[in-house]
Amino acid sequence: ELKVEQNPLFLSMQEGKNYTIYCNYSTTSDRLYWYRQDPGKSLESLFVLLSNGAVKQEGRLMASLDTKARLSTLHITAAVHDLSATYFCAAGTSGTYKYIFGTGTRLKVLA
Amino acid sequence: KAGVTQTPRYLIKTRGQQVTLSCSPISGHRSVSWYQQTPGQGLQFLFEYFSETQRNKGNFPGRFSGRQFSNSRSEMNVSTLELGDSALYLCASSWNRDITNYGYTFGSGTRLTVV
Repeated sequence: ELKVEQNPLFLSMQEGKNYTIYCNYSTTSDRLYWYRQDPGKSLESLFVLLSNGAVKQEGRLMASLDTKARLSTLHITAAVHDLSATYFCAAGTSGTYKYIFGTGTRLKVLA
Repeated sequence: KAGVTQTPRYLIKTRGQQVTLSCSPISGHRSVSWYQQTPGQGLQFLFEYFSETQRNKGNFPGRFSGRQFSNSRSEMNVSTLELGDSALYLCASSWNRDITNYGYTFGSGTRLTVV
């Protein structure tokens, strides 16, 4: 059964610093998604990663996928307060249409 | 265009009661999935509906059920409510079962409190 783990669970960082959130999954998965959730709000789709070595960037966020290591990373560059949110990864396998979410990483960017 | 609409936004129920939550997907989206979000367990998959049929089910007791109508709108029902059912229930829709290109579009959720 597919399991997804994220770390860290909580991350408090200074503005301007860089950091990485890790997402490990337990069995073969050919697609990986990253979502953002602001407090009291719903989830917003950030990135879709479909192949080994895939890298996508949007502003200060960059996501990558290593299917051999069963690892995806979300890298934050020069963090700003607006990035404070909870970030989730989700893995799935084509044909099953069932997506398992990680525990989430609550990011707080301090001014 | 309108997003995924969930009603009601907030609900307070008493233990033992039952509740029905509604989800209207984005127009044209035919797949609807439901997730339960709690601080302790995170986001857990409940079920997925496509073309009025349940295609996938998570590890929840039979008290949790759902259905999908011909217009793709979906409802989920929880019977004999327990305190542990207090959670944010999120509905997510997609064009078809394969969310490869865009991922899900989530609704704002229904926050259920069981007292």
